[in-house]
Amino acid sequence: EAAVTQSPRSKVAVTGGKVTLSCHQTNNHDYMYWYRQDTGHGLRLIHYSYVADSTEKGDIPDGYKASRPSQENFSLILELASLSQTAVYFCASSEGESSDYTFGSGTRLLVI
Amino acid sequence: AQSVTQPDARVTVSEGASLQLRCKYSYFGTPYLFWYVQYPRQGLQLLLKYYPGDPVVQGVNGFEAEFSKSNSSFHLRKASVHWSDWAVYFCAVSMGTGGYKVVFGSGTRLLVSP
Repeated sequence: EAAVTQSPRSKVAVTGGKVTLSCHQTNNHDYMYWYRQDTGHGLRLIHYSYVADSTEKGDIPDGYKASRPSQENFSLILELASLSQTAVYFCASSEGESSDYTFGSGTRLLVI
Repeated sequence: AQSVTQPDARVTVSEGASLQLRCKYSYFGTPYLFWYVQYPRQGLQLLLKYYPGDPVVQGVNGFEAEFSKSNSSFHLRKASVHWSDWAVYFCAVSMGTGGYKVVFGSGTRLLVSP
């Protein structure tokens, strides 16, 4: 079954440390996305990619980097984690830019 | 730029009663519209989607939604709510061709009372 798998499921990170969130999809989709979810804010787009080896900035890219080494894999990198980056992070994939999304189960990140 | 408003942060419905969750969008063009559901501690799952055509679309688990261009709305409905429908529901809009973004609303938390 086609799916989007995120790892880790949860993580506690220290302020100023580096954090890497990973996402793997078996949907054969071209588009992949990273969103963060905060209570009361819905989903906000951080970075997205429509082809391997290329990433684009979303609405809130500051403090985040992204990497798409292959069609299947898309990582989100926090070089210097901050308290404000405590949130739930979702990865998603889609066939096209306006297609419906398939979401992963999310990564709960706590920065202390 | 397109936007989505879900005016109700929380809705409580008795089990077996009918349900309507409201969604208003802002976009000058022909939108693609979606409803997603998020069960506790899970990712979002697609309930239904509207691509230009029949304004009433059917989804999973008895959900349906109706697109209204005149009202800029895409409300979600269900005739009889079940306790398992307890979740957060997100409306989303896409610009269709030529745009990369799907914009999500802030979500409506549905509580089901016995």
